[in-house]
Amino acid sequence: DIQMTQSPSSLSASLGDRVSLTCRASQNIGNNLNWYQQRPGKAPKLLIFVASSLQSGAPSRFSGSGSGTDFTLTISSLQPEDSATYYCQDSYNTLTFGQGTRLQIE
Amino acid sequence: QVQLVQSGAEVKKPGASVKVSCKASGYTFTGYHMHWVRQAPGQGLEWMGWINPNNGGTKYAQKFQGRVTMTRDTSISTAYMEMDNLKSDDTAVYYCARDVCSGTYCLDYWGQGTLVTISS
Repeated sequence: DIQMTQSPSSLSASLGDRVSLTCRASQNIGNNLNWYQQRPGKAPKLLIFVASSLQSGAPSRFSGSGSGTDFTLTISSLQPEDSATYYCQDSYNTLTFGQGTRLQIE
Repeated sequence: QVQLVQSGAEVKKPGASVKVSCKASGYTFTGYHMHWVRQAPGQGLEWMGWINPNNGGTKYAQKFQGRVTMTRDTSISTAYMEMDNLKSDDTAVYYCARDVCSGTYCLDYWGQGTLVTISS
């Protein structure tokens, strides 16, 4: 089975910071990688699909990159509403999610 | 607008079954796969499987094969997820989610979630 490993597990940053979250797949998944944002008590929200395509309605400060086994979600300038947990997902085969990165705004 | 409205919270005893519904509106129900994802309290997301509402075809995560059945009723644009032989670690919020992508998978609209609690 494909394993998806996210780092860091948690992160604290300040308003306006640029942050990068990482996701590593245990085998090559091409560009078949999604990113979701989940705020407490809410359903997940799709941010990025096929590694780098911004979902309609998602803010342009979110961007995705990578291919193969290593992927990155970047937030260019942190806003208060970005406080959430972020999950990557293999969209190639097993549809496995990573364990999540909890992002807190200082 | 696209909406997925799920059935209400359930409390079940170990060994029982549960059936969660997901009513779709605002789009052509048969045009998009429907996925089910669960989240145990304080834990991450776990993909369970999908159903193709057009033909009823399904794919389940290996972990759930033989215990989960996904069905649909196209006349009322509703998908269902039934799980048998419930255990305490099945306590979770269960989500349905529409798959908008073609050739890959990506879940753009999600239901509000249904809390299923397993307790003796």
